Amino acid sequence: GAVVSQHPSWVICKSGTSVKIECRSLDFQATTMFWYRQFPKQSLMLMATSNEGSKATYEQGVEKDKFLINHASLTLSTLTVTSAHPEDSSFYICSARDPRQGGGEQYFGPGTRLTVT
Amino acid sequence: AQTVTQSQPEMSVQEAETVTLSCTYDTSESNYYLFWYKQPPSRQMILVIRQEAYKQQNATENRFSVNFQKAAKSFSLKISDSQLGDTAMYFCAFIQGGGADGLTFGKGTHLIIQP
Repeated sequence: GAVVSQHPSWVICKSGTSVKIECRSLDFQATTMFWYRQFPKQSLMLMATSNEGSKATYEQGVEKDKFLINHASLTLSTLTVTSAHPEDSSFYICSARDPRQGGGEQYFGPGTRLTVT
Repeated sequence: AQTVTQSQPEMSVQEAETVTLSCTYDTSESNYYLFWYKQPPSRQMILVIRQEAYKQQNATENRFSVNFQKAAKSFSLKISDSQLGDTAMYFCAFIQGGGADGLTFGKGTHLIIQP
């Protein structure tokens, strides 16, 4: 149980365009999902917390107008990188809490490698 | 704000040996959870082990065990009988009690198991 999928696994886009990344909880309902960013050979940094039916909460320094998050259902959260620039190239990972488990652990999607040319 | 520190950027051991990865953290909270996650070359984050702060007993999962020293704010991971498949990045992570927040990660330790 507690499987999280992410799509696409990798994407290349041109500078100035937008790209959407989907995160789905496959076997549980997730009221809260999280988006992380990981640069090469670095750790994961929390970008935002996605709450079903309400606005996302962004970490300090993350541009909410650039990284649009929509959590429209209990199994789907999307991250849209708007007007992408080469510096947005990174590995984006989502995670979700399984409310059936009380331990606070998060289950991660396989990640999306974004390359902006 | 919480911080998590992993002071070993890279470690290398021979297969079948035991290895210990270090992690310290700083928090003013009394209720929290600590985790070790593994990230192999595929980059899929895999939960290795979990520890609740209110539990004194150290968590174990097969070959993986932790040494949780709450007063010292230390949370080390011991891997026994290491295997080639254990080669990966290992991240120590913290979350406040309730688990509604995102995880705070350390910088990671790259563990290499040599044949």
